[in-house]
Amino acid sequence: DTEVTQTPKHLVMGMTNKKSLKCEQHMGHRAMYWYKQKAKKPPELMFVYSYEKLSINESVPSRFSPECPNSSLLNLHLHALQPEDSALYLCASSLSPGQAFYEQYFGPGTRLTVT
Amino acid sequence: AQTVTQSQPEMSVQEAETVTLSCTYDTSENNYYLFWYKQPPSRQMILVIRQEAYKQQNATENRFSVNFQKAAKSFSLKISDSQLGDTAMYFCAFMNSGNQFYFGTGTSLTVIP
Repeated sequence: DTEVTQTPKHLVMGMTNKKSLKCEQHMGHRAMYWYKQKAKKPPELMFVYSYEKLSINESVPSRFSPECPNSSLLNLHLHALQPEDSALYLCASSLSPGQAFYEQYFGPGTRLTVT
Repeated sequence: AQTVTQSQPEMSVQEAETVTLSCTYDTSENNYYLFWYKQPPSRQMILVIRQEAYKQQNATENRFSVNFQKAAKSFSLKISDSQLGDTAMYFCAFMNSGNQFYFGTGTSLTVIP
């Protein structure tokens, strides 16, 4: 299994809603990432989890709350978002540091629209 | 901080022709990894090719090859025999020893039939 899956594919939410994005991988990867991507722009790193611990938080607003329940799952909890948060949210995973190749494998993304 | 620069926002190539996408980066590290990722319209980002900085030999994957010039901090991607399915955004990426990824701004490639 060389796949990163993300649900839902599309999400429309109001500014007062609470929703969650889910990411799953079964490749034994121990590093997982959340990115935000605007149209025709590169992905912007939001969070990195390494061995289920948050290792990098790129000064993301608190209305985004990540969670890593186990080594295969990564969630992104959303609350009180703004319209400018509308974007494609990408999840990725990679082997832990120390392995020979640790390029990132990306999921298909969740297209989020905040109304 | 590392930076990755892709100086060609858009490029086009005739089907079956060869095209080269440029990428330069800035780092003070000696051990790092470089990647080219492809993101077709409304589709998933996938890895095209990777290069370890300690290897002198340029990586090759079928029609895709790189020209890695470590001293010049240059990492260009050559696509031979371009196909319509190669139409996509191409991102150059740098990964340091701390497992942090840095993406370039991307090059939008269109293959013309």
